[in-house]
Order: sequence, then structure tokens, then C-alpha cells
Amino acid sequence: GDSVTQMEGPVTLSEEAFLTINCTYTATGYPSLFWYVQYPGEGLQLLLKATKADDKGSNKGFEATYRKETTSFHLEKGSVQVSDSAVYFCALRDSSYKLIFGSGTRLLVRP
Amino acid sequence: GAVVSQHPSRVICKSGTSVKIECRSLDFQATTMFWYRQFPKQSLMLMATSNEGSKATYEQGVEKDKFLINHASLTLSTLTVTSAHPEDSSFYICSATPGDQETQYFGPGTRLLVL
Repeated sequence: GDSVTQMEGPVTLSEEAFLTINCTYTATGYPSLFWYVQYPGEGLQLLLKATKADDKGSNKGFEATYRKETTSFHLEKGSVQVSDSAVYFCALRDSSYKLIFGSGTRLLVRP
Repeated sequence: GAVVSQHPSRVICKSGTSVKIECRSLDFQATTMFWYRQFPKQSLMLMATSNEGSKATYEQGVEKDKFLINHASLTLSTLTVTSAHPEDSSFYICSATPGDQETQYFGPGTRLLVL
């Protein structure tokens, strides 16, 4: 079945460092891809999405490009802030509109 | 943005008792709500999909008699864990969609501990 694999955390960075969180997927067809973020004590929030190959999703300085050839959707940010500390989930939406999540990656940004 | 709440945020119960978790969409009508379960350091796993006024659709391996889902209105869905056991201890998260299923809005989750 469909699945999502993302890098294990925690990822610890200094403020203003470059961030990459890897995400790869296995799916039949062409799923939509998502990154969700969960701040402490809050629900998951949609960070960005891409619905077809070569689409780039972006929001709040974060970007991810839908790469069909490598089945990847890596999350990047050029300069992280302390406020970006959270858990990040990569997900795909299958043909029946169900979300399938990766295991989540905790990001800790130190001042 | 759309807000989904869950109550309670944390619950501790004795083995054999039943626990009800509420999921509410506060500022929109949710035609579809989803219930997920998350074990520590693991993915969110979809348990069931519920549509207002109809029976929930459970994922393979989820016991429908164990996890009772009721979606009685367009703003409320409940998950009841019946005869809870320690292995049911987990983080339960709901989400709701306003109808086009393009975007799911997530609640903050409920942590259940069964002693």
C-alpha cells in the first residue's frame, strides 16, 4: 500500500541555519503531497502542499517540490527561527482522500 | 482559519471502563470527520472516517465494537473507547473537513492512559 517515509529526528539546528527534512513516498497513481506542522499543545496545521509533479509548495519561508522521478517531497527553509521548533509531518492523500502520514520529525532550533 | 477542538485533552481511566472523546468543529460545518491514533514516535494512523448521519467506515484492523464513533451533527463527532485496556493507551486525534475534502483541519489531540 501507499506509504510515507521521513527522516528520523530530532533535528537540532542553530537559529538562521538551513533546514532540510527528507520525505519520500510510495504510491500508486499521483497523490497530492502535504507537509503538516504541529506546535506544542496544538493540532496539526497544514504548512504547504503540492498536487502534481514539479509543483512547489511554499509558506512562511518553507518550500517543498513534488519530485516524481525521485518520489520525494523534501522540506526546506533557508533560515530557521526558534519559533519554527515543532514536529513536521509529511503526508500523501490517496485516491480515496485518505491522508497517510510519515512518522514525524521533531525540529529544535536553538537561539 | 477553521478550528477543531477536542475534549478532554487528557484522560486517565481504569481498565474495563469506557471513555468518550469529543471532536467539534467550532466555526464550520464538517460533513466528514476522521479519527486517528498515534503511538509514541510513530505516524498518525487513520482509524475511521465518519460522515454526518451515517455509520462510520473503519480501517482494516480497527474493531468497530471497541471504538464506537458517532457523528450526530455537522459540528460534533464522538469516539468512545469501550472496555478500555492498557494497550488502548495512545494519542487520539480527530480532523474535520468542510465538504470538499481538500483540506483537513486537525484537533489538538486527546491523550488516553488506561491503568
